[in-house]
Amino acid sequence: QKEVEQDPGPLSVPEGAIVSLNCTYSNSAFQYFMWYRQYSRKGPELLMYTYSSGNKEDGRFTAQVDKSSKYISLFIRDSQPSDSATYLCAMSAFDSSASKIIFGSGTRLSIRP
Amino acid sequence: GAVVSQHPSWVICKSGTSVKIECRSLDFQATTMFWYRQFPKQSLMLMATSNEGSKATYEQGVEKDKFLINHASLTLSTLTVTSAHPEDSSFYICSASRSGSPTGELFFGEGSRLTVL
Repeated sequence: QKEVEQDPGPLSVPEGAIVSLNCTYSNSAFQYFMWYRQYSRKGPELLMYTYSSGNKEDGRFTAQVDKSSKYISLFIRDSQPSDSATYLCAMSAFDSSASKIIFGSGTRLSIRP
Repeated sequence: GAVVSQHPSWVICKSGTSVKIECRSLDFQATTMFWYRQFPKQSLMLMATSNEGSKATYEQGVEKDKFLINHASLTLSTLTVTSAHPEDSSFYICSASRSGSPTGELFFGEGSRLTVL
């Protein structure tokens, strides 16, 4: 079993729809949870960063962490064609070394105009 | 946000030659940088952790003599793929963690696509 599981998609939704992206994980020691967006042939960029459980909102993006279920989500409201990209979840345990970050395989998202 | 620059963005080389990829943190100092490899439709696989002024730490299964890493300054790390072969063709990405940033706040370069003929 992989430490982090993420549905690769592709996921295609119409413009304006609410998008839900999810990851599950098996390591209960994970404390830091991130979402990265990666456009084709580009490096990932950090979208959201949360520590422990709870919700975090930033504009049209909301990140949720449910540690009891080992489940994290990223919601995108009012989705735009420019949101079309691959979204990678990532997480790490309480560790000062970023080398311990585990990435999901990424979900390819396509927003149809 | 912090900026990490990677160069070249793409390179084509002949089998047997060596290729150097640079990773620079433009507006912050990075004592630690990371090198990843990404195959199409797959996630990032950490290859090595590059520490300024010391030897890199390689992940299991990564040949250190094949993938030479040098972190000569607080803003520059280089990855050299030596004696490249077609199976080394991949997307190589570097990242850096800014001092004082919480764990996980990595800033990535744009990636370098290597094609070995």
